[in-house]
Amino acid sequence: QVQLVQSGAEVKKPGSSVKVSCKASGGTFSSYAISWVRQAPGQGLEWMGGIIPIFGTANYAQKFQGRVTITADESTSTAYMELSSLRSEDTAVYYCARLEAYCGGDCYYYFDYWGQGTLVTVSS
Amino acid sequence: DIQLTQSPSFLSASVGDRVTITCRASQGISSYLAWYQQKPGKAPKLLIYAASTLQSGVPSRFSGSGSGTEFTLTISSLQPEDFATYYCQQLNSYPRGPFTFGPGTKVDIK
Repeated sequence: QVQLVQSGAEVKKPGSSVKVSCKASGGTFSSYAISWVRQAPGQGLEWMGGIIPIFGTANYAQKFQGRVTITADESTSTAYMELSSLRSEDTAVYYCARLEAYCGGDCYYYFDYWGQGTLVTVSS
Repeated sequence: DIQLTQSPSFLSASVGDRVTITCRASQGISSYLAWYQQKPGKAPKLLIYAASTLQSGVPSRFSGSGSGTEFTLTISSLQPEDFATYYCQQLNSYPRGPFTFGPGTKVDIK
């Protein structure tokens, strides 16, 4: 059974950075694709970017390019999302999720396991 | 980037009702669509992937259909635990993304 456990809530000042962790257990971490999704208060889900640890290359939504860095440490089965130059609009719950594939001819993708979420509050 | 719209944004229904939610993509995405259910304070839960494949453990009253640009999620007989917000997501952009979500449909008790 896969489990994703995220780090605790953070309160940050505008202009600072935050780094959220997502520790995986179960399965083979190096073969996971991990994505980060955020949800501002009362709003919908927003994909920020993702990484496949075995390849080590991250991809980001254009909106967050230059401000977000997603990394993975295979030795600890942990993925990280760092967001810089924080502003009040970045106040949100940040989720990590595993991107999995079902292949039967074609491959189809989905986010099947999610972390519990990490609330990041940006306030002066 | 591919955009998703959902309709309705909000619906009020009673236990036992048949409920249908529509998701439309700005361009064809074949069957690369997933549906999630989210309850307040909780992470989203996968219901359906590949537009119509029920995730293991999800009740059979949930079903999905469609391909290309128009998709539907149907709950055949609404149960009290189904009151939640539902999101569609496109994964046609694999592997680089973005993996866009629809704006959500909130299902409330009438």
